[in-house]
Amino acid sequence: GQNIDQPTEMTATEGAIVQINCTYQTSGFNGLFWYQQHAGEAPTFLSYNVLDGLEEKGRFSSFLSRSKGYSYLLLKELQMKDSASYLCAVSFGGDYKLSFGAGTTVTVRA
Amino acid sequence: NAGVTQTPKFRVLKTGQSMTLLCAQDMNHEYMYWYRQDPGMGLRLIHYSVGEGTTAKGEVPDGYNVSRLKKQNFLLGLESAAPSQTSVYFCASSLTGTSQETQYFGPGTRLLVL
Repeated sequence: GQNIDQPTEMTATEGAIVQINCTYQTSGFNGLFWYQQHAGEAPTFLSYNVLDGLEEKGRFSSFLSRSKGYSYLLLKELQMKDSASYLCAVSFGGDYKLSFGAGTTVTVRA
Repeated sequence: NAGVTQTPKFRVLKTGQSMTLLCAQDMNHEYMYWYRQDPGMGLRLIHYSVGEGTTAKGEVPDGYNVSRLKKQNFLLGLESAAPSQTSVYFCASSLTGTSQETQYFGPGTRLLVL
């Protein structure tokens, strides 16, 4: 698989903003996904980036820089329910297989 | 519309025992996948299928076999379980195989091999 790097853990306060970074090898890149996974549950789709720039969906935004092999997921106005693991996944080589990062566990404190 | 379902939810096996994990989807998706998730590691692809009657190896296929006899079902078999196969197994499906297609995941099966 490809190396997908993201921080292991992040902690933030309710109402704050947190940015989760993800870096990947640029060779053969096709697209990047962010998934949310609550403890003991299935990953669920959050966002998809294929072009450079920012994609905004309510309180969540995702950014991509293809030339730098870099993405981030921005979580605004944090709520307790946002406490979860956030998975960065990249599609390489023009096919349907995804390579996943190990996930970033975000803990939101009151 | 149940999406992707998996059975069983939890299972304990002894080393050397066999079992089959069942994945079912009701979204008429062509592509199906089996992943395992271990602490500190990303989801790793075990096997996948691009359509009924087809299967292919993923990143970590050793010790597992799969079958896709019906479009809606994807079975994962462990012929002789080993402690290293203790993990959480997720099934996923996607409508097509294009690189931008979202994968939808089942709730997972927790397997403990003693």
